[in-house]
Amino acid sequence: KNEVEQSPQNLTAQEGEFITINCSYSVGISALHWLQQHPGGGIVSLFMLSSGKKKHGRLIATINIQEKHSSLHITASHPRDSAVYICAVRSVTDKLIFGTGTRLQVFP
Amino acid sequence: ETGVTQTPRHLVMGMTNKKSLKCEQHLGHNAMYWYKQSAKKPLELMFVYSLEERVENNSVPSRFSPECPNSSHLFLHLHTLQPEDSALYLCASSQDLTRGVPPSDTDTQYFGPGTRLTVL
Repeated sequence: KNEVEQSPQNLTAQEGEFITINCSYSVGISALHWLQQHPGGGIVSLFMLSSGKKKHGRLIATINIQEKHSSLHITASHPRDSAVYICAVRSVTDKLIFGTGTRLQVFP
Repeated sequence: ETGVTQTPRHLVMGMTNKKSLKCEQHLGHNAMYWYKQSAKKPLELMFVYSLEERVENNSVPSRFSPECPNSSHLFLHLHTLQPEDSALYLCASSQDLTRGVPPSDTDTQYFGPGTRLTVL
């Protein structure tokens, strides 16, 4: 079992829908990252969180340290949001551990 | 455009070939990383360099040989690979390896577009 689990693995949505991607982890962490990987491979860092909530445009990331859980929300989804979203944690032993990603497709 | 470039973007090689992947970062960062991404598996960290010195080598077979001639360039030399080595190889960089409490933005890694490698 991976130390970082994401759900769902695949997600399809209609344009405009509110989307939630979940990440659960089983190790102590100092930070959690949400990454976006576009078709073709390029990865962009979206958020780094150690507590609470961060917002950037239509993207919102939250983390609950006690429950070892984070969510990435996309409001008013758009086809250009179609990508793989990857959760990664920095463990307290300084190891960076990645989830397997959630593939999101948003249809017009 | 993240400031990290990788060449080539696609590479097909036979098992007896020798090839090299190149990564260059234009961000003035001190740390660089090689990752392997296979289908349906998490990203696997292969090597970490800080100030041109290798600081992490995660049990990677010797057929992969990294080189960091300066803080802006990172190479991955490939020799006698196996078909199971076919994957996307991603390079990343970050400001440095030090981690303050709380974590700072210097931990954020900036990724290149990757090289899609196929070993026949």
